[in-house]
Amino acid sequence: GDSVTQMEGPVTLSEEAFLTINCTYTATGYPSLFWYVQYPGEGLQLLLKATKADDKGSNKGFEATYRKETTSFHLEKGSVQVSDSAVYFCALSDNTGGFKTIFGAGTRLFVKA
Amino acid sequence: DAGITQSPRHKVTETGTPVTLRCHQTENHRYMYWYRQDPGHGLRLIHYSYGVKDTDKGEVSDGYSVSRSKTEDFLLTLESATSSQTSVYFCAISESTGEGTEAFFGQGTRLTVV
Repeated sequence: GDSVTQMEGPVTLSEEAFLTINCTYTATGYPSLFWYVQYPGEGLQLLLKATKADDKGSNKGFEATYRKETTSFHLEKGSVQVSDSAVYFCALSDNTGGFKTIFGAGTRLFVKA
Repeated sequence: DAGITQSPRHKVTETGTPVTLRCHQTENHRYMYWYRQDPGHGLRLIHYSYGVKDTDKGEVSDGYSVSRSKTEDFLLTLESATSSQTSVYFCAISESTGEGTEAFFGQGTRLTVV
């Protein structure tokens, strides 16, 4: 079945460092891809998304490009802030009946001042 | 914030007892989902619903049942709670508009089975 694999954490960076969180997926169809973020004590919220190959999703300085040839959707940010400390989840939606979302295991990011 | 309310937010229960978690939405969205979140596993789908009285199993449905008698409410029942069901449970909703439909999440319910 469909699945998502993302790099294990935690990832610890200093403020203003460059961030990459790797994500690859396996899917039989043509999924939509997402990054969700979870701040402490809260539910998940959508960070960005892409619906087809070569689409780039972006929000709050974060970017990810839908790479069908490498089945990847890596999250990047050029300069992280302490407020970016959270858990990041890569996910796909199967775009079929149920529109179920399948999540990766999550990557915890710590940003130090 | 999407209008999703989970109750209770925290619960401690004993092994072998039945437990029901409630998810209530005010968005009139068609699809509702129950996930559990555990370290190292991300979120795993337990059950989902695609309409009133229409439900289906997810990848970790054993030991759980659901009901949806109204559009706005989706109940998750642990028939006989076990320690392996200690987890954080999230309800989510979505309204299919085609590709890229996002899910909106509740605040979560932390369940401890002792």
